Amino acid sequence: AQKVTQTQTSISVVEKTTVTMDCVYETRDSSYFLFWYKQTASGEIVFLIRQDSYKKENATVGHYSLNFQKPKSSIGLIITATQIEDSAVYFCAMRERPQVVGQLTFGRGTRLQVYA
Amino acid sequence: EAAVTQSPRNKVAVTGGKVTLSCNQTNNHNNMYWYRQDTGHGLRLIHYSYGAGSTEKGDIPDGYKASRPSQENFSLILELATPSQTSVYFCASGAGTGYSGNTLYFGEGSRLIVV
Repeated sequence: AQKVTQTQTSISVVEKTTVTMDCVYETRDSSYFLFWYKQTASGEIVFLIRQDSYKKENATVGHYSLNFQKPKSSIGLIITATQIEDSAVYFCAMRERPQVVGQLTFGRGTRLQVYA
Repeated sequence: EAAVTQSPRNKVAVTGGKVTLSCNQTNNHNNMYWYRQDTGHGLRLIHYSYGAGSTEKGDIPDGYKASRPSQENFSLILELATPSQTSVYFCASGAGTGYSGNTLYFGEGSRLIVV
């Protein structure tokens, strides 16, 4: 069965610095999709970025980028030039190709606190 | 303007009572999903739907039913609510196909307390 593990429960950083959040996954499938979602203090959950397993290039969207290390089954989220508003809980998620579109397995989340 | 809206946002129910959580989406997405979020568990999929009239079981469907009467609406039904169903429930929509099909758009969440 697939599994997504986020070992960091919380991280605190000073604004304008770079932070990396870890995520490792387990899957028997050779084709899968990896995602990061952000949950704000209000509870809103928004999609940030995705990585398809067959792509070698790390995905980048704005000040979010991924560190995809397929041999290690690892997909780290990197946030550069952090801002106070980046304070939130970040979830890593995975979908294996045979699964239903949108049938995601989520990690337990990492809480990021950015302070001035 | 929010494209996925849930109601009620907060609900207190009694054990054994019936609870219906409603979700409406204006994204014109084919797929809709119900997840629950519990401390220490992340989000877990309860039921999903491919379109009007369709409902499918997710990873943790026991104790829940779902209804998709139209493209826009998807309900989660707890026929006999139990305290273990106390949680925050999120509805989401997704295109269901194509490259963007895996991107989900979530509602604001519905907090349910069963006493």
